[in-house]
Amino acid sequence: TQLLEQSPQFLSIQEGENLTVYCNSSSVFSSLQWYRQEPGEGPVLLVTVVTGGEVKKLKRLTFQFGDARKDSSLHITAAQPGDTGLYLCAGSSPAYGNKLVFGAGTILRVKS
Amino acid sequence: DAMVIQNPRYQVTQFGKPVTLSCSQTLNHNVMYWYQQKSSQAPKLLFHYYDKDFNNEADTPDNFQSRRPNTSFCFLDIRSPGLGDAAMYLCATSLPHGLNTEAFFGQGTRLTVV
Repeated sequence: TQLLEQSPQFLSIQEGENLTVYCNSSSVFSSLQWYRQEPGEGPVLLVTVVTGGEVKKLKRLTFQFGDARKDSSLHITAAQPGDTGLYLCAGSSPAYGNKLVFGAGTILRVKS
Repeated sequence: DAMVIQNPRYQVTQFGKPVTLSCSQTLNHNVMYWYQQKSSQAPKLLFHYYDKDFNNEADTPDNFQSRRPNTSFCFLDIRSPGLGDAAMYLCATSLPHGLNTEAFFGQGTRLTVV
């Protein structure tokens, strides 16, 4: 059973398109993080959201934490080939001993 | 400057031959994690340390052991690697649970078993 459900699992889009990746759970999370990972490298932290309803922007990336702190989304505007990679949501929850757990990941491919 | 360093980046070992992967950190974080990641999948937590307290995941095989001699270093020992243990092994650190637990990852060690 995946503690964090991430969707879609795979996304292939054209350069310039917009996309949204979702991360959902039945449990409340103290915080949620989004990471991006390139092949052969470790995940790199993009953002952390802590407060319910919080919205953070990182250039063309917009992150939102749900009001109930059970879900999060990542929206990319005008995707570029350099955005290609594996996007992972992760979080810690008292329901899971506050360990850092990961969603299954979304493989994004942006074609030029 | 690298904050979480894993060595080596690539490791080839023979089937059944013990192997040790290492991780060091300059962040002085209390928590250190070891994850196993197979191709295009999410990292799977093997175990973690809170200072010297060792926490093993229930489904981590006995073949996998870990040592943390001090705050800065942590080792992953695979006693008898099988072909199914070929994967990327990721080390990460974070502040204590309950606070902002964002993790900082090393570049990983790609393990090949021949």
